[in-house]
Amino acid sequence: GNSVTQMEGPVTLSEEAFLTINCTYTATGYPSLFWYVQYPGEGLQLLLKATKADDKGSNKGFEATYRKETTSFHLEKGSVQVSDSAVYFCALTPIQGAQKLVFGQGTRLTINP
Amino acid sequence: EAQVTQNPRYLITVTGKKLTVTCSQNMNHEYMSWYRQDPGLGLRQIYYSMNVEVTDKGDVPEGYKVSRKEKRNFPLILESPSPNQTSLYFCASSPGGAKNIQYFGAGTRLSVL
Repeated sequence: GNSVTQMEGPVTLSEEAFLTINCTYTATGYPSLFWYVQYPGEGLQLLLKATKADDKGSNKGFEATYRKETTSFHLEKGSVQVSDSAVYFCALTPIQGAQKLVFGQGTRLTINP
Repeated sequence: EAQVTQNPRYLITVTGKKLTVTCSQNMNHEYMSWYRQDPGLGLRQIYYSMNVEVTDKGDVPEGYKVSRKEKRNFPLILESPSPNQTSLYFCASSPGGAKNIQYFGAGTRLSVL
């Protein structure tokens, strides 16, 4: 089946620290991969995406590379800010064009000044 | 402004009392979905719709109904709510296509007593 596993949270860092949130997936075929972010009291917003192997998605200083050989899509940022505090979800679409997202359990990130 | 609007944002009800959560999008999207978010489980798809009068079950459809009589609206109906349906619910819409970028509403927090 299709599944996404994220690193356990919560994660607490100091401002300007380096961030990595691990994400691995299981899927048949060639999924598209996504990171969504949920700020307090809000719905999910797309942060970045990658649709094929070796693609790198990037947005707002965040990056993630689609690694088919390790079935991973780890989220990274070189210098986090307090405003990055949120819950981050890794997700996949099992089949290109399918309008379904399979989510990981989410990782709560808190950045202290 | 392009958006997905859910109502109500918060709802407390009692077991067995029918309720409807409304969802409306103004982006002329063909695809709409309902998800529920539970701690440690991420988001799970309840139902989805590919177009007017076309709906199908997601991963956790038991106890829910949906309808899609108009393109912009996709209400979620709980005919006889039970405490295990206490959750945070999100509606999402997507224009379709290979990218499958979904746009989420702000969420409805439901408590069934």
